[in-house]
Amino acid sequence: GAVVSQHPSWVICKSGTSVKIECRSLDFQATTMFWYRQFPKQSLMLMATSNEGSKATYEQGVEKDKFLINHASLTLSTLTVTSAHPEDSSFYICSARGDFQETQYFGPGTRLLVL
Amino acid sequence: RKEVEQDPGPFNVPEGATVAFNCTYSNSASQSFFWYRQDCRKEPKLLMSVYSSGNEDGRFTAQLNRASQYISLLIRDSKLSDSATYLCVVNGAGGGFKTIFGAGTRLFVKA
Repeated sequence: GAVVSQHPSWVICKSGTSVKIECRSLDFQATTMFWYRQFPKQSLMLMATSNEGSKATYEQGVEKDKFLINHASLTLSTLTVTSAHPEDSSFYICSARGDFQETQYFGPGTRLLVL
Repeated sequence: RKEVEQDPGPFNVPEGATVAFNCTYSNSASQSFFWYRQDCRKEPKLLMSVYSSGNEDGRFTAQLNRASQYISLLIRDSKLSDSATYLCVVNGAGGGFKTIFGAGTRLFVKA
């Protein structure tokens, strides 16, 4: 299957700092990338959908100025959590889908802990 | 009503048991359907797609009933390694090509 990588795999930061997470599709061109958040023992929650070269579409309740998404190329999307706070601590997972694909391929996730 | 609804679980079964997971979706225009597996503290991984004709992959059988808007996953001869959360995923639910994940059903297979 297709491979998606995420970096970093985990990060600990101080409250108020910004954290950037990268998501890369390694062996296919990802026209669409998705960003999810998962709190312990809860289901995946879609945060936003991004298409290469255009602005991301955010789900209701997700602050676009706080969670900046850039999808500048067909193999890379980034999520920046700006001015992170302890309540932003979570497991952030990206997924990618190519043209004419229905399946999403997930990255390994990034664990964020904000102190 | 949730767009994609799964059995709440958890399911606790002995090794060798057969276990069935159910999932219903609300949008009749939904286009494609999948089962994913998620291990603790890991990302979801695609288990199998689901087709109206039903499909089987080893011990796993998936079925789709479009009329009832119902999806199932059957695991035969459960192994300890099958312990995970199983996520029902529907594309096209909620309009457009949106992907909706069910909340997942946790499976524990015991020796």
